[in-house]
Amino acid sequence: DVKVTQSSRYLVKRTGEKVFLECVQDMDHENMFWYRQDPGLGLRLIYFSYDVKMKEKGDIPEGYSVSREKKERFSLILESASTNQTSMYLCASSLWDRRAEAFFGQGTRLTVV
Amino acid sequence: GENVEQHPSTLSVQEGDSAVIKCTYSDSASNYFPWYKQELGKRPQLIIDIRSNVGEKKDQRIAVTLNKTAKHFSLHITETQPEDSAVYFCAAIGRRAQKLVFGQGTRLTINP
Repeated sequence: DVKVTQSSRYLVKRTGEKVFLECVQDMDHENMFWYRQDPGLGLRLIYFSYDVKMKEKGDIPEGYSVSREKKERFSLILESASTNQTSMYLCASSLWDRRAEAFFGQGTRLTVV
Repeated sequence: GENVEQHPSTLSVQEGDSAVIKCTYSDSASNYFPWYKQELGKRPQLIIDIRSNVGEKKDQRIAVTLNKTAKHFSLHITETQPEDSAVYFCAAIGRRAQKLVFGQGTRLTINP
């Protein structure tokens, strides 16, 4: 079974803090994604990576950065957390094949106060 | 880039009836269209997908249809059951090969 694991299930941070969300997959997948999920807005792509040290902006990259130093790990960084970044964050991974199934982590519910 | 629109945002049907969820996409180069189901408190999981060289695909009570000319695809669930209650997401992979873009989601409720 593919396993995609996010480091925290729930996180509470203060405005202005630097926040790291970590995601690890154990199936040697090339592609990794970060989405945020908000009611009525679906899953919006923040960043994705198709190889180590490679990254591309998704639809809502503002206020976020990412890091992929190892194939199995993809980190999402909030440089200076703001209250409008309160959301559910989902990580996913898939094989390089553009028609490959994406496997999701369990999600991190981030609250910025 | 690719844009996926999904309707309706909420859908309520009687148990045993059919449910249909529709999506449109913008990138004519898209060639893969998966559907994910997210039960309450759980992660999204793939339930069915369709490739652009196929017009329809069925898996038991679930079917997906694709109209490439009109750039829309639909999910059909027949003989709905309470366990079908969930949020359903359509998605497409556009011109940028690895970029998986989702629709806004449909909350389906099956009434007993």
